[in-house]
Amino acid sequence: GNSVTQMEGPVTLSEEAFLTINCTYTATGYPSLFWYVQYPGEGLQLLLKATKADDKGSNKGFEATYRKETTSFHLEKGSVQVSDSAVYFCARSGSSNTGNQFYFGTGTSLTVIP
Amino acid sequence: GAVVSQHPSWVICKSGTSVKIECRSLDFQATTMFWYRQFPKQSLMLMATSNEGSKATYEQGVEKDKFLINHASLTLSTLTVTSAHPEDSSFYICSARGGLEQFFGPGTRLTVL
Repeated sequence: GNSVTQMEGPVTLSEEAFLTINCTYTATGYPSLFWYVQYPGEGLQLLLKATKADDKGSNKGFEATYRKETTSFHLEKGSVQVSDSAVYFCARSGSSNTGNQFYFGTGTSLTVIP
Repeated sequence: GAVVSQHPSWVICKSGTSVKIECRSLDFQATTMFWYRQFPKQSLMLMATSNEGSKATYEQGVEKDKFLINHASLTLSTLTVTSAHPEDSSFYICSARGGLEQFFGPGTRLTVL
């Protein structure tokens, strides 16, 4: 099948805490993997991506490594800030025979408290 | 990076009326655009794939006569919610494919009274 499973939230952390949001995927072939962030009342913004195994995507202090052996793409940040409060979506690309659509996880809501 | 715009950003309408939402790719051409629906605190649900110059491909359970999609050019796709009802109230998001990535519009919040 083609699916993305990510850690359910909500997640509440104190400022400067370490963040991990787990994401695993199932796919035939080797999809590209993405993390998107959605701030309240806004659309999705690409946070980071990785297009092949062992690639590490990084942006704004967030990182995720494409692990083919565990079919995972966990999101991490060493020290979260209040401004990181948002919903995070893990996603994978499809293939040409699925119209190149994206498959999204259910989203993980993160709240960072001062 | 590539930019996708949506218009309007929010709309309130009466039950029974139709609402058109536009999705534009501003600095690239998109042969394929996607329309998603997002309910509060839930993930994105793909409604349909919009193909330039041909009919849209709808996901199972999505009524094509209710959600009309037109992809008239390489930079514009429209979603028309016909005879809207309160249960159609939702956040509608479009995306356009550019290379390996999808670029998302900011979303349109539809409220049907």
